[in-house]
Amino acid sequence: DADVTQTPRNRITKTGKRIMLECSQTKGHDRMYWYRQDPGLGLRLIYYSFDVKDINKGEISDGYSVSRQAQAKFSLSLESAIPNQTALYFCATSDSRRGRETQYFGPGTRLLVL
Amino acid sequence: DAKTTQPPSMDCAEGRAANLPCNHSTISGNEYVYWYRQIHSQGPQYIIHGLKNNETNEMASLIITEDRKSSTLILPHATLRDTAVYYCIVSWDSGAGSYQLTFGKGTKLSVIP
Repeated sequence: DADVTQTPRNRITKTGKRIMLECSQTKGHDRMYWYRQDPGLGLRLIYYSFDVKDINKGEISDGYSVSRQAQAKFSLSLESAIPNQTALYFCATSDSRRGRETQYFGPGTRLLVL
Repeated sequence: DAKTTQPPSMDCAEGRAANLPCNHSTISGNEYVYWYRQIHSQGPQYIIHGLKNNETNEMASLIITEDRKSSTLILPHATLRDTAVYYCIVSWDSGAGSYQLTFGKGTKLSVIP
C-alpha cells in the first residue's frame, strides 16, 4: 500500500460547489502539507500543519480551508469552487524528528472546475 | 528565502551521466539544498539533499561548491525512466523550527535512446 494516499484522484465539479480533497498517510509523520500545481509551473504551498489541530497558511491560502483532526489525515476544502482553482493538488508529509524537510508526496488529485 | 536558477531543459544520452546545474547564490549558512524530481504528473519524488559536503545515495550524487552558491545533481547512468522535471530547492526557515520548500519551474531532463 502507498504511504501517502489521496482521494479522489480525479474530480470534476461546477463553479460554486463545495468540495473536499482527502489525504491519508501511514508513515507516522507529524507534518502534512497541501500544494497545488498549475500546468508548466512548480508547486505552490496552500496550507501546512505541524500536528493535530495546528494549521498554517502557505503562499496561496485564499479560497481554501483545511482540517487536521487526526495525525494521519489532512483534508483540503474549496468552499465555493471557481474555475481558476482547476489544478493538480498534492499532499505531502514530513517527519519533524528527522530535522529537515524531506517531504514525501502523494499521487495527486486532478481537479477540474467548470 | 533563497531562490534557485536552473536551465529550463536538458538532454542526455541513455547510459551517460546527467549533470544538472543549479545556482543559489543567496543561500544562507543554515539552508540546505534539496533535489526532487517529478515524472510526468506524478507526485514529486525526493532524490537527495546536502548542506556543505558532497552527498551520494543510491539514486544520485550532489556536488556543492565550496562557496555553496551552486550545486550539481549527477545521475551517473541515465535511463529513459529518468526523464522528468528536476527541481533544485533551497529550504528556508519559516520559523518555529520549520524549514519549508519552494518549488520553481525546474529543469526538464529528456533522456534520449
